Amino acid sequence: SQQGEEDPQALSIQEGENATMNCSYKTSINNLQWYRQNSGRGLVHLILIRSNEREKHSGRLRVTLDTSKKSSSLLITASRAADTASYFCATDRKYGGSQGNLIFGKGTKLSVKP
Amino acid sequence: DTEVTQTPKHLVMGMTNKKSLKCEQHMGHRAMYWYKQKAKKPPELMFVYSYEKLSINESVPSRFSPECPNSSLLNLHLHALQPEDSALYLCASSQDGAGLSSYNSPLHFGNGTRLTVT
Repeated sequence: SQQGEEDPQALSIQEGENATMNCSYKTSINNLQWYRQNSGRGLVHLILIRSNEREKHSGRLRVTLDTSKKSSSLLITASRAADTASYFCATDRKYGGSQGNLIFGKGTKLSVKP
Repeated sequence: DTEVTQTPKHLVMGMTNKKSLKCEQHMGHRAMYWYKQKAKKPPELMFVYSYEKLSINESVPSRFSPECPNSSLLNLHLHALQPEDSALYLCASSQDGAGLSSYNSPLHFGNGTRLTVT
C-alpha cells in the first residue's frame, strides 16, 4: 500500500514561477526523501529531511516537514523548463515492517512551460 | 548518466523465455534494490540485498529470481513471465546495509530496463 500521497497529481506553470508540491503519509517515519524522475529514466535523489528537522534547503529547493500533520512540501523556486519531471516523496517505516522498505508516493507531474 | 548501470536498456521476451536483467555499481554501496514501475505509477519495491544477502522479498512471484553474485552486481532472472509483468525495472543502491541506522541513505537509481512481455 502507498505510504505517501502527493498533491497535486499534475501541475503546470510558467518558467520563473514557483512550484509547490505536497506529500502526506500515514505512519511514523525516520526520514522523508524527495526524488525527481524524468520521463522513462531512473529516479534522482533531491533532498532528505529527517524526522527531527522542520525545514531544509538545497539550491532552489526548499522542503518542509510537519510530523504532527504527517505532511511535507517541496518548493521549487524560479522554475525552469528543465525542472519538468515527475516528483515523488518517499518514506521509510519507523516501527515494525521491514527495515529499508522505502515507499514512494504516487507523484506529482510538473510541467514548466518556457 | 548515473553511477548505477543497468543492462539491457530494452528487452522484449516471450512468455516461455528465460532472460536476465543486470545491474552494476562501483560506489562501494552495501545495499542494492530492485523496483518495478508501471506507467504513470510510483516504483514498487521487489527485493533488497544487504551485504550480498537477500533481506527483503516483497512477496514477489517466483518467476522473478534475484541474485547478488558480489557487492557490485545484482541480477534479476526472469522466467515464464506474463504480459502484465511488462514494466520499467529499476535497480538502485545505497551506501549502507541492513542493521545500521542507514535507511536514511539516499537511493541511487539506474535508468532501468524497459521490459515488454509478449
